[in-house]
Amino acid sequence: EDQVTQSPEALRLQEGESSSLNCSYTVSGLRGLFWYRQDPGKGPEFLFTLYSAGEEKEKERLKATLTKKESFLHITAPKPEDSATYLCAVNNNNDMRFGAGTRLTVKP
Amino acid sequence: NAGVTQTPKFRILKIGQSMTLQCTQDMNHNYMYWYRQDPGMGLKLIYYSVGAGITDKGEVPNGYNVSRSTTEDFPLRLELAAPSQTSVYFCASSYSRQGQTQYFGPGTRLLVL
Repeated sequence: EDQVTQSPEALRLQEGESSSLNCSYTVSGLRGLFWYRQDPGKGPEFLFTLYSAGEEKEKERLKATLTKKESFLHITAPKPEDSATYLCAVNNNNDMRFGAGTRLTVKP
Repeated sequence: NAGVTQTPKFRILKIGQSMTLQCTQDMNHNYMYWYRQDPGMGLKLIYYSVGAGITDKGEVPNGYNVSRSTTEDFPLRLELAAPSQTSVYFCASSYSRQGQTQYFGPGTRLLVL
């Protein structure tokens, strides 16, 4: 069965302290790996799509990478406004399967 | 473009009551989805639609019904509300199902007492 596991469940950083979020997956026929940001009380907001191992994408302080078994969301010099829950999802031939998310808190 | 819109934002239901959660998208997407999100869990697919008049069950369809009469609208119906249906419900849409980004609405928070 396809599975997506995100770690850690929660992460607290000081402003400027870089770190990485992990998304491990098992899927038959990967059609895409997606990262979303979700603020409290809001819907998930699309960040990145990665399609093949070795692919990388960047947006401001965020960089997503992909291997055959996992994806990382690297956050460089985070700011308090980066505080949110980050969701990972994998798309196979039919379904989009979501991880439970990593709740990131960045303290000033 | 408003994207995906959902109403209401919040609703309290009594056990056994019925309600319809509304979802509309203005991106001319063929595919639409309903998910529920429970604390500590990933989003779970309830139903999806590949176009007007065509719907299919997702992972957790029991207790729900859907219809799709237009490209824009995809309402979710709860017939006999149960406490287990307390959750946050998200509607999403995409151009196709494989490898395409799903765009989400703001969600409806439902409490069944």
